[in-house]
Amino acid sequence: KQEVTQIPAALSVPEGENLVLNCSFTDSAIYNLQWFRQDPGKGLTSLLLIQSSQREQTSGRLNASLDKSSGRSTLYIAASQPGDSATYLCAVRNAGNMLTFGGGTRLMVKP
Amino acid sequence: ETGVTQSPTHLIKTRGQQVTLRCSSQSGHNTVSWYQQALGQGPQFIFQYYREEENGRGNFPPRFSGLQFPNYSSELNVNALELDDSALYLCASSFEYRGNTEAFFGQGTRLTVV
Repeated sequence: KQEVTQIPAALSVPEGENLVLNCSFTDSAIYNLQWFRQDPGKGLTSLLLIQSSQREQTSGRLNASLDKSSGRSTLYIAASQPGDSATYLCAVRNAGNMLTFGGGTRLMVKP
Repeated sequence: ETGVTQSPTHLIKTRGQQVTLRCSSQSGHNTVSWYQQALGQGPQFIFQYYREEENGRGNFPPRFSGLQFPNYSSELNVNALELDDSALYLCASSFEYRGNTEAFFGQGTRLTVV
């Protein structure tokens, strides 16, 4: 059974810092991995999708890496802004097409 | 905007009642999945529908059921509501092809059972 863990559970940083969010998973037989952003009480916004054959994806200030063999992914946020404050979730897709989510990292960027 | 819309946005029900949540998939998508997210936790997979057939189910009891319609919209039905069913219910649509697909989520329905 796939298990996904995100560390840290919460993070508070001053504006302008570069930061790294971590995601680990137990079963490396994944199709892809997605990073999502969730604002309080809202739905999920897809940030980046990494296919199992890829090593990283970039979108603006965001960069996500994937090391499938070690069961790890990181989300790098450059030059953080208060508007980046949200919960960040990673999810992996295995056979069966379901997404297995981690518990999320709550990020607060202070002005 | 993901093109995935859910209704209603909020709902309050009494324990023992039944509820129907609705989801309209993004145009061109053939698959819809439903997730339950308790407060402070990651979403948990309920089930998935592909071309109107259930195509996978998580660890949820049979009182959670669903439908997918020919236009790929979907319903989640929950019977005999329990207090623990209070959660944010999320619908995701995707175009499934060999598993290499991106899921797009709606804004969710907040269900409160009292």
